[in-house]
Amino acid sequence: EPEVTQTPSHQVTQMGQEVILRCVPISNHLYFYWYRQILGQKVEFLVSFYNNEISEKSEIFDDQFSVERPDGSNFTLKIRSTKLEDSAMYFCASSPGLVIRSDGYTFGSGTRLTVV
Amino acid sequence: DAKTTQPPSMDCAEGRAANLPCNHSTISGNEYVYWYRQIHSQGPQYIIHGLKNNETNEMASLIITEDRKSSTLILPHATLRDTAVYYCIVRLFSGGYNKLIFGAGTRLAVHP
Repeated sequence: EPEVTQTPSHQVTQMGQEVILRCVPISNHLYFYWYRQILGQKVEFLVSFYNNEISEKSEIFDDQFSVERPDGSNFTLKIRSTKLEDSAMYFCASSPGLVIRSDGYTFGSGTRLTVV
Repeated sequence: DAKTTQPPSMDCAEGRAANLPCNHSTISGNEYVYWYRQIHSQGPQYIIHGLKNNETNEMASLIITEDRKSSTLILPHATLRDTAVYYCIVRLFSGGYNKLIFGAGTRLAVHP
């Protein structure tokens, strides 16, 4: 079964450093997303990406965050200057195009980001 | 997207059916009911979805009331591996782009 792959599984970084979280979505999917989950809290939507541009972003996704699809297969989330409160599990997801009966919305297994 | 209400936790004995309720009284006519689950700290996993008819797949059954204001996810023979947080989400499209708005979900504990 196709999977969304995320790397690394765990990253520890110092406050103020830049981090890049990487994802390989399912190959024929068109829509890409990042979500995060702070320990013990809800899964929160960050951003969606389609046709090489952001289609929607939440209030959490401020100027410190950016996304990119650099080479047609990878989808990255960059946090420019990490803060302690950025510590969370970050999930990448992808979904197929409009004309489909089943859901197809698939999440990766996540990257645990720890900012110290 | 419509809001949903789920009990915070439920217990179920292994081998028995787990029936997880969800209220979505403000659902609109073109919104679907989706169920996802999250096992420990893994990524959420799609289970099933429906518009107004009952649905069944290899994982579960979804029963939607006639007025569509509530639904029940049924795991017919729960196993220990079904211990997870279950999320009921209503959203506009059955495919393509849509963000998912997660609530707190129901924490299901399956015990021997």
